[in-house]
Amino acid sequence: AQSVTQPDIHITVSEGASLELRCNYSYGATPYLFWYVQSPGQGLQLLLKYFSGDTLVQGIKGFEAEFKRSQSSFNLRKPSVHWSDAAEYFCAVGRGSARQLTFGSGTQLTVLP
Amino acid sequence: GAVVSQHPSRVICKSGTSVKIECRSLDFQATTMFWYRQFPKQSLMLMATSNEGSKATYEQGVEKDKFLINHASLTLSTLTVTSAHPEDSSFYICSASDRGYPYEQYFGPGTRLTVT
Repeated sequence: AQSVTQPDIHITVSEGASLELRCNYSYGATPYLFWYVQSPGQGLQLLLKYFSGDTLVQGIKGFEAEFKRSQSSFNLRKPSVHWSDAAEYFCAVGRGSARQLTFGSGTQLTVLP
Repeated sequence: GAVVSQHPSRVICKSGTSVKIECRSLDFQATTMFWYRQFPKQSLMLMATSNEGSKATYEQGVEKDKFLINHASLTLSTLTVTSAHPEDSSFYICSASDRGYPYEQYFGPGTRLTVT
């Protein structure tokens, strides 16, 4: 069965610092991988996705993620964090024809001024 | 584009009653809709997948008689929690996919259900 692990429950960074959120997946076939952000009172927003091709994926808001098959990882990165990036981040793997999503447990990001 | 709404955003009901949550795709036709449940400080757990005009497919461990899902049109799906109990209190989130992009889901803002 597929699973997603986000090892870091909570990360705190200073504004302007770089960020990396970790995600490891377990899936038998070629994975469809996603990163979502959840802010209070708002629906989950898709940051980026990987289906195939270039393993470095660019997303919205300056985020990028790199798919590493050998490490079963899909880590999210941002070179310079803004205070507005404080939120909950979820990694997910899609399965089946309808691409049902299995989510990781999430990483809460706090940004210090 | 690709906006999904949910109604109500918050609902409080008494134990034993039923409550209906609506999920609407506002600017696209949702061939597939998904219902998730999220506990505080936890991840989203997929409850069921529904295709327009078909019966929903429930994930293992989800009671189909407890959580009734209807996807009668391409823009509306409903989740009815029947005979609600305090343990059903949770944050319920829907998402929708359209015909052209089966690989992307658009999420609603969620509904906070409290059963007293």
